[in-house]
Amino acid sequence: DAKTTQPNSMESNEEEPVHLPCNHSTISGTDYIHWYRQLPSQGPEYVIHGLTSNVNNRMASLAIAEDRKSSTLILHRATLRDAAVYYCILRDGKSGGSYIPTFGRGTSLIVHP
Amino acid sequence: EPEVTQTPSHQVTQMGQEVILRCVPISNHLYFYWYRQILGQKVEFLVSFYNNEISEKSEIFDDQFSVERPDGSNFTLKIRSTKLEDSAMYFCASLAPGNQETQYFGPGTRLLVL
Repeated sequence: DAKTTQPNSMESNEEEPVHLPCNHSTISGTDYIHWYRQLPSQGPEYVIHGLTSNVNNRMASLAIAEDRKSSTLILHRATLRDAAVYYCILRDGKSGGSYIPTFGRGTSLIVHP
Repeated sequence: EPEVTQTPSHQVTQMGQEVILRCVPISNHLYFYWYRQILGQKVEFLVSFYNNEISEKSEIFDDQFSVERPDGSNFTLKIRSTKLEDSAMYFCASLAPGNQETQYFGPGTRLLVL
């Protein structure tokens, strides 16, 4: 499986934007980039995914580099509730229906009031 | 919004006892999963289930584990003879047909084996 590299932790202030980076230099042309997050004492939660183009949804934006070797999850205005571990995961687009995300250590986001 | 639910939220058991963890996936979902997360460690895949049979399983999912979908709504994980190292959070997840991008996770069951 193509691997991802994320910083262990990042800090932000409430109501400021947060840019969470992810490197995936061995990404293949069919790999989707997924982001999940895990709030304290909860199960993982889907955030966003993309293939080549930047994506926006109600939770976040995903900026994908032109060469696809890196991506950035953008939280436009961090809230205390966004304090979580954020996982960047690659999904092989050629895989069948049973998609199994492989969770790494992720980035622990600390949000200061 | 529909949710995956899990019961119990916490379970304490003695080593060697059998436990059954229960999950109710989202109703129209067809793929089901169990994961575990030992305290302070990564979320680890255990098993996936589709069309009433196991489709994939990890090395962790040995003969002590089994899964079942007994009645079309519940999805259970059984550990036959618990060990101390089975203490972890166990998460159930499900995936909708036609949407292979979004797994929905339940809140987890915290299992403590004494």
